[in-house]
Amino acid sequence: LAKTTQPISMDSYEGQEVNITCSHNNIATNDYITWYQQFPSQGPRFIIQGYKTKVTNEVASLFIPADRKSSTLSLPRVSLSDTAVYYCLVATNQAGTALIFGKGTTLSVSS
Amino acid sequence: GAVVSQHPSWVICKSGTSVKIECRSLDFQATTMFWYRQFPKQSLMLMATSNEGSKATYEQGVEKDKFLINHASLTLSTLTVTSAHPEDSSFYICSAPLAGGFTDTQYFGPGTRLTVL
Repeated sequence: LAKTTQPISMDSYEGQEVNITCSHNNIATNDYITWYQQFPSQGPRFIIQGYKTKVTNEVASLFIPADRKSSTLSLPRVSLSDTAVYYCLVATNQAGTALIFGKGTTLSVSS
Repeated sequence: GAVVSQHPSWVICKSGTSVKIECRSLDFQATTMFWYRQFPKQSLMLMATSNEGSKATYEQGVEKDKFLINHASLTLSTLTVTSAHPEDSSFYICSAPLAGGFTDTQYFGPGTRLTVL
């Protein structure tokens, strides 16, 4: 399984755009990139998933360059409620494949 | 999205007793479920893979006789912490993959807080 590297923490203010970059240099051809959000004492919540280029949904965008060795989660106009830990995971998307979590990025949003 | 539930959400027990935690996929079937453990200020650690109709697969360092896993049906997996001790106090989380389109997305339960006195 590809190892991921993310910043340990980031700080932002309400209304700003936040970009969290994840490095995954040894990503395999069959690997997908998935981001999860976790609040204290809750299970992780799926945010977005992608394979290449750009993916956008109602809460975030995911940018993946052509070499796929990194990815950037973009949160537009964050609010206080976006304060959480964000995990970048790389794994093959096959049933039976467990997700291995790294340390994640703790995002703190202030007013 | 898909919903995974856990019961109980929290439990306090005395040292030496056994505790059962249930994980259910509410609106989809899951032949595979995963159990994680999370200590304060740390990331999730995979404990085991629960397989419907067969034995669970445990990660290195996880005692299979202490953490009993039973995947009773396509929507239910249980984790039993036998003879619990204070060091077993942790946040236990399960997940289940939902197949759809060209990718499988994993959905996580809300977690169970276990405190062993």
